[in-house]
Amino acid sequence: DAGVIQSPRHEVTEMGQEVTLRCKPISGHDYLFWYRQTMMRGLELLIYFNNNVPIDDSGMPEDRFSAKMPNASFSTLKIQPSEPRDSAVYFCASSPDRDDEQYFGPGTRLTVT
Amino acid sequence: RKEVEQDPGPFNVPEGATVAFNCTYSNSASQSFFWYRQDCRKEPKLLMSVYSSGNEDGRFTAQLNRASQYISLLIRDSKLSDSATYLCVVNIRNNDMRFGAGTRLTVKP
Repeated sequence: DAGVIQSPRHEVTEMGQEVTLRCKPISGHDYLFWYRQTMMRGLELLIYFNNNVPIDDSGMPEDRFSAKMPNASFSTLKIQPSEPRDSAVYFCASSPDRDDEQYFGPGTRLTVT
Repeated sequence: RKEVEQDPGPFNVPEGATVAFNCTYSNSASQSFFWYRQDCRKEPKLLMSVYSSGNEDGRFTAQLNRASQYISLLIRDSKLSDSATYLCVVNIRNNDMRFGAGTRLTVKP
């Protein structure tokens, strides 16, 4: 298996633009997680899905953030409009079960200028 | 009090040294514990799970102290390649897994 795939790996955009991050989980994993990592706040859970259904989005910072999982092999995290404080590394992870090892993708490094 | 807390370090140790990290958690009902490793500019990867009786994997030993609500990671005979950030992960409630902020380790020749 190729592991968790994320795209793009790097994204530089201007404030106010829409940003869409993409994730393909490991086949057969029922759970998908989106995290954000910064030096100041560490690794923060934004939202997670179980069988394509959002379960807990309490970590989503505000309405500018939205996430979807239209099928078992694809998820998106969208920021609209983006702001400089959104600059971070965004990781997607998947796991067979909620309490199992989480497999992380390589991350998307987002810079908003 | 944060739900999961770690000493951020950095820990700078010479090769061959023994180093230990602790991680405290706030919910006494937590049941699952893990240590992840994250290399610079890479994604976190599972290092080892932490079992109630403690467990060992080569030079790495993980322990759980429920009474004091902390887990520990001990690295013996540290190698240059052990330099990384070590993240503790705790299932704080209802399968809600939380990551600590990480402890940075640098092993020097």
